[in-house]
Amino acid sequence: DAGVIQSPRHEVTEMGQEVTLRCKPISGHDYLFWYRQTMMRGLELLIYFNNNVPIDDSGMPEDRFSAKMPNASFSTLKIQPSEPRDSAVYFCASSAGAREKLFFGSGTQLSVL
Amino acid sequence: GQQVMQIPQYQHVQEGEDFTTYCNSSTTLSNIQWYKQRPGGHPVFLIQLVKSGEVKKQKRLTFQFGEAKKNSSLHITATQTTDVGTYFCVPQGGSEKLVFGKGTKLTVNP
Repeated sequence: DAGVIQSPRHEVTEMGQEVTLRCKPISGHDYLFWYRQTMMRGLELLIYFNNNVPIDDSGMPEDRFSAKMPNASFSTLKIQPSEPRDSAVYFCASSAGAREKLFFGSGTQLSVL
Repeated sequence: GQQVMQIPQYQHVQEGEDFTTYCNSSTTLSNIQWYKQRPGGHPVFLIQLVKSGEVKKQKRLTFQFGEAKKNSSLHITATQTTDVGTYFCVPQGGSEKLVFGKGTKLTVNP
């Protein structure tokens, strides 16, 4: 298995633009998590899905952020409009079940100018 | 989500010295996971502790889960430069959520 795949690896955009981050979890994994990492706030959980259904989105910063999982092999995290404070590394992770270990993707480094 | 305190936030050691990071919770945990993130990398799972008083070893790394299942520690014996990175404890209580904190950032001076 190729592991969790995220794209793009790097994204540079201007304030106000829409940003879409993509994630392909490991095949067969039921859980998918989106995290954001900054020096100031550490690794924050944004949202997680179980069987493609969003279970907890309490970590999503505001309405500018949205996440979808249309099927078991694909998820997106969208920021519209983007702001400089959204600059961070965004990680996607998947697991085979509740309380199972997480497998992380390589992350997307987002810079909003 | 589950709230834990991980200390220290930063630790700098000389190569060959030992290192310990601690996680403390005010409530009883179901289990705890430990991850390591190398600089510029992504978190990688190290181990999961489930049983009260559990002790697990991985080469120079020793993981402990407290008797009351409220605290845990990771001890590295004789650190090497390859141990550099941030170590996270990730507790689980009643929720499925896996909440990371800021972890402990370890630097090793060769």
